[in-house]
Amino acid sequence: DQQVKQNSPSLSVQEGRISILNCDYTNSMFDYFLWYKKYPAEGPTFLISISSIKDKNEDGRFTVFLNKSAKHLSLHIVPSQPGDSAVYFCAARALNFGNEKLTFGTGTRLTIIP
Amino acid sequence: EAQVTQNPRYLITVTGKKLTVTCSQNMNHEYMSWYRQDPGLGLRQIYYSMNVEVTDKGDVPEGYKVSRKEKRNFPLILESPSPNQTSLYFCASSFISSGSEQFFGPGTRLTVL
Repeated sequence: DQQVKQNSPSLSVQEGRISILNCDYTNSMFDYFLWYKKYPAEGPTFLISISSIKDKNEDGRFTVFLNKSAKHLSLHIVPSQPGDSAVYFCAARALNFGNEKLTFGTGTRLTIIP
Repeated sequence: EAQVTQNPRYLITVTGKKLTVTCSQNMNHEYMSWYRQDPGLGLRQIYYSMNVEVTDKGDVPEGYKVSRKEKRNFPLILESPSPNQTSLYFCASSFISSGSEQFFGPGTRLTVL
């Protein structure tokens, strides 16, 4: 049972345009959402996060939007740059004292075309 | 430099030969965790630890053991590896607090023949 879903395995975007990566979740106990970026042969690195009490969080070129009623979040990258080419994982954490476990989606491979 | 290190990075072994993958962090994090990444499944938690001598099972603990004798180290032990444990393994650590992101190690690619 995949509680966090990234339905697009891959996405190609022209350099300078907006990249939009989507993520859906099913567990209403999730209280915190994160995006991680992963390059080949490296571990995931934290990109941006959002608490369930917010609907938007911005950090430079990266913005995450959360729609709790739709159980949907998205990551916007503007403008997209070649260095953004990577696999992006959406992750969620449930209110569960005793485990900071992250539940991950299956990832979206973003390719920025120069 | 703040980091999570894992060793080895790559390992090929045979069924039944005990192995240990080490994980160490230098950020004084209380929480540490092991994940495995498999195609089409994302990262799944194997075991976690909230502090020294406190460990518990994650979603896929079968065939694995862990220990947390020191705050900085969290080794993953495969007593009798099997081919279905061929995977990419990541160690992660964080502070225990609302809004604390997890830092990941570079990964260990394990192949069990």
